Parts: sequence; C-alpha cells; structure tokens
Amino acid sequence: RKEVEQDPGPFNVPEGATVAFNCTYSNSASQSFFWYRQDCRKEPKLLMSVYSSGNEDGRFTAQLNRASQYISLLIRDSKLSDSATYLCVVNMWGTNAGKSTFGDGTTLTVKP
Amino acid sequence: NAGVTQTPKFQVLKTGQSMTLQCAQDMNHEYMSWYRQDPGMGLRLIHYSVGAGITDQGEVPNGYNVSRSTTEDFPLRLLSAAPSQTSVYFCASTGVAYEQYFGPGTRLTVT
Repeated sequence: RKEVEQDPGPFNVPEGATVAFNCTYSNSASQSFFWYRQDCRKEPKLLMSVYSSGNEDGRFTAQLNRASQYISLLIRDSKLSDSATYLCVVNMWGTNAGKSTFGDGTTLTVKP
Repeated sequence: NAGVTQTPKFQVLKTGQSMTLQCAQDMNHEYMSWYRQDPGMGLRLIHYSVGAGITDQGEVPNGYNVSRSTTEDFPLRLLSAAPSQTSVYFCASTGVAYEQYFGPGTRLTVT
C-alpha cells in the first residue's frame, strides 16, 4: 500500500463546477500536510498548507481529518486555469522533516 | 531572490557516462531534496539533506550520489548513467513550515 494515495482521475469538469479531491495517508505520525499544483512539464508549486482546523484561500478549501487519515481539497467555481495535476504531500517532523511523501497526483481538466 | 536554481535544463547522456546535476538555493534553508519524476507518475525521493555535511537516502537512491558541502548547494551525481535513469529531476528546498520550493527541473535522457 502506498503511503499517500490519491484518486488519479482524470477529473473533467465544466467551468464553474465544484470539484473535490481526496487523499489518504497511512502513517499516523505524519504531521504536516500540503496540496501542490503541477502544470504540465513544470515544477510543483505550493497551493496551500492543510491545517487541522481547515483553511480556505479564495476558491480553494483544504481540510484534514486526522482520525480517518485523509486530506481533501475543494475547488469552487472552477476556472480553465485550474487545469493541472494536484499533488497531496505529507511530511514528518523532527529529523525526518526533510522526507516529504508525495501522492501520484490527481489530474483536473476544466473545459469551457 | 532566485529561489531554487537547477542546471542544466536538458541533458542527453550515453549509457555509462557520468554527470552532475547542479542545484542551488538562496533562501538559507537547511533541508534540501532531490526527486525524480517519470512520465505520468509521481515524485520519488532520491536523496535528501538536513544540513551541510549531512545527507541520507530516500526511496530510490541506487545509482546516485549526493554531497552537501554548503547550505546553498546540493549536487546530484549520476555515477554510470542507465536508460532507466531517463527522467525529470527536481531539486527542492524546505522552508520553516516544511513547505517545499522546487527548482525548474532537469530533463535527462539516457540513450
């Protein structure tokens, strides 16, 4: 079983749609959680951190459920420019903090 | 402030050749990492470093060496290139909240 699992998609949605991605992680000692966005043939870029209380940044909402060990990302009012691959990332703290574990990504295509 | 830089952007090697991929960051981050990403797949950790003089293996370290003589630089060496090492290589440095900043990547083809 992979340490971080994501539904690979692809998710094909019309502009304006709401889309949700889920990610599960297996190591209960995981402490830091993130969503990254990766455009085709480009480097991943941080989209948002995920906090236990949940957090929102404009059209994007991230939530963490520690008991069930899953993270979610909700995108409201999808734009064409949201088309990308979304990566779920989990980190330990302490001496293993340099070791991030990435999910394989969920691909989103937003169509006119 | 350049962030994380990587050179070269593209490289073609023949089987058995060696080379070094360069990575530098100007954010004074202690943690740095190297990943490879194969087509249609996720990022896999090759090696990482928690500070100058300290490195450790990641998920797929075989065939690669690293060193960390300064905080800024974290080169990745391919000892004897193989076609299985054809991939895109990303270097990253980790900020204080454990967020990662990636370089633009090196696209390596081994023939």
